[in-house]
Amino acid sequence: EVQLLESGGDLVQPGGSLRLSCAASGFPFSSYSMNWVRQAPGKGLEWVSVISGGGEITYYADSVRGRFTISRDNSENTLSLQMNSLRAEDTAVYYCAAHYSHARFDYWGQGTLVTVSS
Amino acid sequence: QSALAQPRSVSGSPGQSVTISCTGTSSDVGAYNHVSWYQQHPGKAPKVMIYDVSERPSGVPDRFSGSKSGNTASLTISGLQAEDEADYYCCSYGRTYNVFGEGTKLTVL
Repeated sequence: EVQLLESGGDLVQPGGSLRLSCAASGFPFSSYSMNWVRQAPGKGLEWVSVISGGGEITYYADSVRGRFTISRDNSENTLSLQMNSLRAEDTAVYYCAAHYSHARFDYWGQGTLVTVSS
Repeated sequence: QSALAQPRSVSGSPGQSVTISCTGTSSDVGAYNHVSWYQQHPGKAPKVMIYDVSERPSGVPDRFSGSKSGNTASLTISGLQAEDEADYYCCSYGRTYNVFGEGTKLTVL
C-alpha cells in the first residue's frame, strides 16, 4: 500500500522558518519525482516545488523561489521542504505528491497545516 | 504563474452530463499534452481522474473523460452520481513547470 505521511506543520511567526518532511512507502520512491503542493484555507491548489528522482533537478513556483528549498533522501525514502522567511500568505495545508510523468500526481499525502501568524 | 481559468461552479442532476473547462495559454495547455484533472472531496487529498489530456488511471470510472482543443482542456462527467459532488482542478505542465486551475465546485442537484 502506498503511503505518504507529511509532518512538521506548525504555527510560526512571520519571518520565521519551518521544515516539513514526507515519509514515503509502498512504491519505488527514487523512480518518482516528488512535489509539494499547497492549499490555503478555502482556496485552490497551488503547485510549490518539484525535485527529480535522483535529486539533481529542482523547480520552484515564483511565489516561493529563494525562500523555500526542496530536498530528498532516497536512502530513507523521505522528502523535505525547508521554508524560510515565512509570510502570512504561506499559510496552507502542504501536501507531498509523487508524479511519474508531467502534471500527473499519482500519490498524495494527507497534508500538514502550516500557519504563519503573529 | 497565473492559475488556469475554470468556472467557479457547475451543477447537474443525477444521470446528466456536465463539462468543466480549463483555459490556459500557448505556453501550457496549448503547448503540451500533459493536462490532468483532480477530484477533491472536503477535507481529503486530491485524486487524479484524468492525465495526459484523456487517459484514465485504473479504477477511475469511464464516466470521466477528457479532451483538449487549443488552449482549453475539458473534463466531462457523464451519468452524474451523488458521489461526484466535489471540487475539480485541472493541472498543466508548462513553461513554469506545473500550474493548477482555479478549481470548480460540482454540485449534484
